Amino acid sequence: ETGVTQTPRHLVMGMTNKKSLKCEQHLGHNAMYWYKQSAKKPLELMFVYSLEERVENNSVPSRFSPECPNSSHLFLHLHTLQPEDSALYLCASSLNRQGSNGYTFGSGTRLTVV
Amino acid sequence: GESVGLHLPTLSVQEGDNSIINCAYSNSASDYFIWYKQESGKGPQFIIDIRSNMDKRQGQRVTVLLNKTVKHLSLQIAATQPGDSAVYFCAEKGPGGGNKLTFGTGTQLKVEL
Repeated sequence: ETGVTQTPRHLVMGMTNKKSLKCEQHLGHNAMYWYKQSAKKPLELMFVYSLEERVENNSVPSRFSPECPNSSHLFLHLHTLQPEDSALYLCASSLNRQGSNGYTFGSGTRLTVV
Repeated sequence: GESVGLHLPTLSVQEGDNSIINCAYSNSASDYFIWYKQESGKGPQFIIDIRSNMDKRQGQRVTVLLNKTVKHLSLQIAATQPGDSAVYFCAEKGPGGGNKLTFGTGTQLKVEL
């Protein structure tokens, strides 16, 4: 275990469903991230939170809505997704916003939109 | 624009041999580089990092080399083992207070018995 826990590990949802991905870390990190990993593509940064404040949104469609209620928890709320949104969604955390010591990743949620 | 890429998508090595995985980057201002390993069904796992004021750093069975002149990064794995089979990513980070890591697409390392 890396210290970053993501649930669920697998999720299948219809295009009209609403679901949420959860990420939790107890490493004392102050920055948390959502990444999307699609086949044969580099990791795509979606959102960055530092001390519970969203500091970056990489032009992500509004059908993805992040929430960071405290520095240990991060959510990604999903609604009216498209099949092309099927991917592995990775959460990561770092000690600070500078990411000086790299990121610690969770195992991801494998999302399939049908 | 910035890009981080890997020379080969797949690398096959015999067990016990040394592996060398290469990475090219285009942002000459990048000051921090990381190698990650991603096994099937898992998230990327930190292996080793290096800052731009260094050209070599060693860990346990792994060595990272940084050549800033040609903007090239490599990961060397000594005595490759079956457990080393995974996808390896390099990532770079620019200077300053930003925290954005740019990742390459990854190289699949296959260890043959």
